[in-house]
Amino acid sequence: AQTVTQSQPEMSVQEAETVTLSCTYDTSESDYYLFWYKQPPSRQMILVIRQEAYKQQNATENRFSVNFQKAAKSFSLKISDSQLGDAAMYFCAYRSANSGGGADGLTFGKGTHLIIQP
Amino acid sequence: NAGVTQTPKFQVLKTGQSMTLQCAQDMNHNSMYWYRQDPGMGLRLIYYSASEGTTDKGEVPNGYNVSRLNKREFSLRLESAAPSQTSVYFCASRYGTGGYEQYFGPGTRLTVT
Repeated sequence: AQTVTQSQPEMSVQEAETVTLSCTYDTSESDYYLFWYKQPPSRQMILVIRQEAYKQQNATENRFSVNFQKAAKSFSLKISDSQLGDAAMYFCAYRSANSGGGADGLTFGKGTHLIIQP
Repeated sequence: NAGVTQTPKFQVLKTGQSMTLQCAQDMNHNSMYWYRQDPGMGLRLIYYSASEGTTDKGEVPNGYNVSRLNKREFSLRLESAAPSQTSVYFCASRYGTGGYEQYFGPGTRLTVT
């Protein structure tokens, strides 16, 4: 079974600064997908960014980018120019590229609580 | 376009009571999922359904049953609620295979006393 580890329960950053959230995962598969989800106090889960394991290029979405290191099984999220609205729980998630059974669901880390200091 | 909707938003049950959490999506998605989120934890998969008429167990299926009523609706039933089932429950749906994202509902906060 795959596992996802987020080693930073909480991070704090000054508004307009850059912060990096860490995520490592354990899998024996070679083809999979990785995601970062944001959960604000409203509880709604919002996709921030996704990465296909077969793509070497790191995904980027506006101020959000990832550093995907497949050999190291590492998938960190960098938030540039942090804004107050970025304050939330951030979850790293893994999904196998193989369909069928629970493999089709997401495996989540425990999350990192991001605080933005004004 | 409502996306994924869940009812109810909040529920309090006594130990041993039963209830059904409802989920519906209007995005014509094939796959649907139920997760639970406990304090200090990420979401964990309870059951999922790849298509109408099919369901599969996830990581934590014990104590739950599901029904994929049609393509739109996927319900989660607690037959005899236990305090350990106190949690926030999320329903999600996804279009197809590949790297498509899962869209989540707003969640149901369930407390079992």
